[in-house]
Amino acid sequence: SQELEQSPQSLIVQEGKNLTINCTSSKTLYGLYWYKQKYGEGLIFLMMLQKGGEEKSHEKITAKLDEKKQQSSLHITASQPSHAGIYLCGADMARAGGTSYGKLTFGQGTILTVHP
Amino acid sequence: DAGITQSPRYKITETGRQVTLMCHQTWSHSYMFWYRQDLGHGLRLIYYSAAADITDKGEVPDGYVVSRSKTENFPLTLESATRSQTSVYFCATGTGSGWTEAFFGQGTRLTVV
Repeated sequence: SQELEQSPQSLIVQEGKNLTINCTSSKTLYGLYWYKQKYGEGLIFLMMLQKGGEEKSHEKITAKLDEKKQQSSLHITASQPSHAGIYLCGADMARAGGTSYGKLTFGQGTILTVHP
Repeated sequence: DAGITQSPRYKITETGRQVTLMCHQTWSHSYMFWYRQDLGHGLRLIYYSAAADITDKGEVPDGYVVSRSKTENFPLTLESATRSQTSVYFCATGTGSGWTEAFFGQGTRLTVV
């Protein structure tokens, strides 16, 4: 089983709709990263959450790390076709605090399709 | 200045052949990683390196060899390619300082026939 489980695995929405992607961990999270990937391309870093209760936003994308630090959600407001792609959460599952150097375990990804 | 360059971008090879995927970075980041991406599995770590001449296994290292004689290069070699190694391979770097993200290359799509 995956250490990081993402849900849903795929999502189809109409342009303008809000949506949420979840990332659930079997262990306490110390640094949760969200990436976006366009088909055939590399991963683009969106944001990183470290502290329980932390919330970060970039343009219309907001990510939160829950207080117990075992789940993160990514919320997109008023979706646009440019939001389409694969969203991946990643975490350094081995490091309890301190620094993270990028050795990540990833969820299986959520494929987002936005219809105009 | 591309940051991370992977080559080739696409490769088709035959079963049993040796294949080397190249990764070059211009940032002098300490850490470098190789991941493979397969449908339903997300990204899985193959090998990583903390510095030149220091490498370690990740989650799925069997059938792969890495080396890092210089900080900027981290080649991945498939010693005898198998069909199960058909995948998209990503190289990434990390600074190793504080909570910072990993930076990913554009990927190499490898098909083993």
